[in-house]
Amino acid sequence: EPEVTQTPSHQVTQMGQEVILRCVPISNHLYFYWYRQILGQKVEFLVSFYNNEISEKSEIFDDQFSVERPDGSNFTLKIRSTKLEDSAMYFCASSETYGYTFGSGTRLTVV
Amino acid sequence: QKEVEQNSGPLSVPEGAIASLNCTYSDRVSQSFFWYRQYSGKSPELIMSIYSNGDKEDGRFTAQLNKASQYVSLLIRDSQPSDSATYLCAVNIGGNNRLAFGKGNQVVVIP
Repeated sequence: EPEVTQTPSHQVTQMGQEVILRCVPISNHLYFYWYRQILGQKVEFLVSFYNNEISEKSEIFDDQFSVERPDGSNFTLKIRSTKLEDSAMYFCASSETYGYTFGSGTRLTVV
Repeated sequence: QKEVEQNSGPLSVPEGAIASLNCTYSDRVSQSFFWYRQYSGKSPELIMSIYSNGDKEDGRFTAQLNKASQYVSLLIRDSQPSDSATYLCAVNIGGNNRLAFGKGNQVVVIP
């Protein structure tokens, strides 16, 4: 069964450092997303991406965040200057229309 | 008002019983509704989608939708220990592909 692949599975970074989280969506999917889940809290929307541009972003997705689709397969989330409160599980997802498939997530720990 | 609300606390059910989960949502325009299962430390896994009023059955799972009451529910029949997880209600918001998630309901199936 097709799956969304995320790397790395766990990243530890120092506050103020830049991190790039990587995702390979399902190949025939058209919509791509990033969500995050702080430990013990609900899954929160960050950004959606369609036709090589951001289609919607949340208030969480401020200037320190950016997304790219650098080639035909990868979809990345960059956090420019990490803060302690960025520590969370970050999930990439993709869909043809509705009903996402989520990747296994990247656990980001900012120290 | 929260976009998606799941207010019940942890639900303990004996093996073989029915688990019933409820969810309400605030956006009357929403057209797509989903239930995800999330095991501890893992990513959400889509188990049910429903788009029309009424019931939809898939194996031991039944989703029920009432758009007039802005209410979605999930029934798990013949509960198994492997059903022990957190169940997330998700609703598309504003007619686009963004999903809003509830905080989830933890289900514990007791052998």
